[in-house]
Formats: sequence, C-alpha cells, structure tokens
Amino acid sequence: GEDVEQSLFLSVREGDSSVINCTYTDSSSTYLYWYKQEPGAGLQLLTYIFSNMDMKQDQRLTVLLNKKDKHLSLRIADTQTGDSAIYFCAESYNQGGKLIFGQGTELSVKP
Amino acid sequence: GAGVSQSPSNKVTEKGKDVELRCDPISGHTALYWYRQRLGQGLEFLIYFQGNSAPDKSGLPSDRFSAERTGESVSTLTIQRTQQEDSAVYLCASSLLLAGNYEQYFGPGTRLTVT
Repeated sequence: GEDVEQSLFLSVREGDSSVINCTYTDSSSTYLYWYKQEPGAGLQLLTYIFSNMDMKQDQRLTVLLNKKDKHLSLRIADTQTGDSAIYFCAESYNQGGKLIFGQGTELSVKP
Repeated sequence: GAGVSQSPSNKVTEKGKDVELRCDPISGHTALYWYRQRLGQGLEFLIYFQGNSAPDKSGLPSDRFSAERTGESVSTLTIQRTQQEDSAVYLCASSLLLAGNYEQYFGPGTRLTVT
C-alpha cells in the first residue's frame, strides 16, 4: 500500500543543521520529493531524488535516500528563521504521476 | 508568466449544497492534478488529467466528487451535497510533462468550509 510517514514537529536554533525524516512503504516508488509550505504561500518544490540515487546536494539542502530501509531525509545546513515552514515528503511511481504526501513536518527555527 | 490560479480563494457553503471549484493551469501544461488538504494533514490526491487520456480518478473519495477538464485548459472540481468532512483546502497543480520538466506547480488553493 501507499503510506508516507513523517514526524510532526522539529525545533532547531538558527545556524544549526535541521534533519527532517520520512519513511515510505512502497518500494516501487521511483521519485521522492521534498516540498515546502509557508503560511499564505503555495506549495513549493524544494528538491527531488530518483530512486537509483543515494544522495543529492543542492546548496544548503542535502537529500539522503536509503532504499533498503525506505528512509528519506532532508538536511538543511545553517538553518535560518526564513526556513520555518512545513516540509512535506512525497513519492510517485513515475515522472509526472500523482504524488503521495506525508503529513508534513513543522520546522520551527528559533533565533 | 502567470502561475496556476484557483477560484474562489474561499468558499463557505451550507451542508447539502453543491459547490464548484475552478483551476486555471499554467498555459501549455498538459497535466492537471487536484489534491485535498485537511487541517493539519498532508495532501491527498483526488484526480489527474493528462492530455486526451482518460483521467485517473482513483483518489476521489465518493461519487459526490467529480471533475472535468476542457482540453488542456481550465478544470472544474464539483462536490455535490457537501458534507462537513469535505471542509478542506483544495489544491490544483499543473505540469508540463516534457523530458526533464515534470515538476508540479501548485496554485494557492480554495479553502472550502461546509457549515
């Protein structure tokens, strides 16, 4: 079945690294995504990773994928107060296909 | 260029009434998706249109929900005989679906409240 799980809350201090975790159940998922949702703003794609990759880095963002454990993580280096938002993990079976979302992790960054 | 737009931004309706929610995708995007986000929850897939293919309706929660899309343009999501559990933000997304560009661009959503 399709199920994506995330912890609901994470609180960090400004300048620290944040790590947001996600687990998924369907091994046929081929694309995994991280989205950011800020109050009053639309859902924004941050980054994605193909299932044949282990890691992807994009500026302050690092995505790690452990296919054996079906675990995905998003690391934000040097977290800023502007990074405070809800972060959603999502999976899909093919490019352009429907997305299955986790329930979101609310990141709070304290100055 | 313009992003995905949705109307209305807010809709309050009485239980039992029908509602129509509109989505205008980015021009030229062949794929269009509807999702629902209940308070404090992640997004739930509802329906997906791609070009002239039959839509993927596998996420529609009941036969009270239906959606149409005219060609590769506007889409309307209709909820008949609304119930309180239909209260949510309804999000539309569109995608170009060409090699290398499969990102789904989301609209701002329609907040539906059923009283």
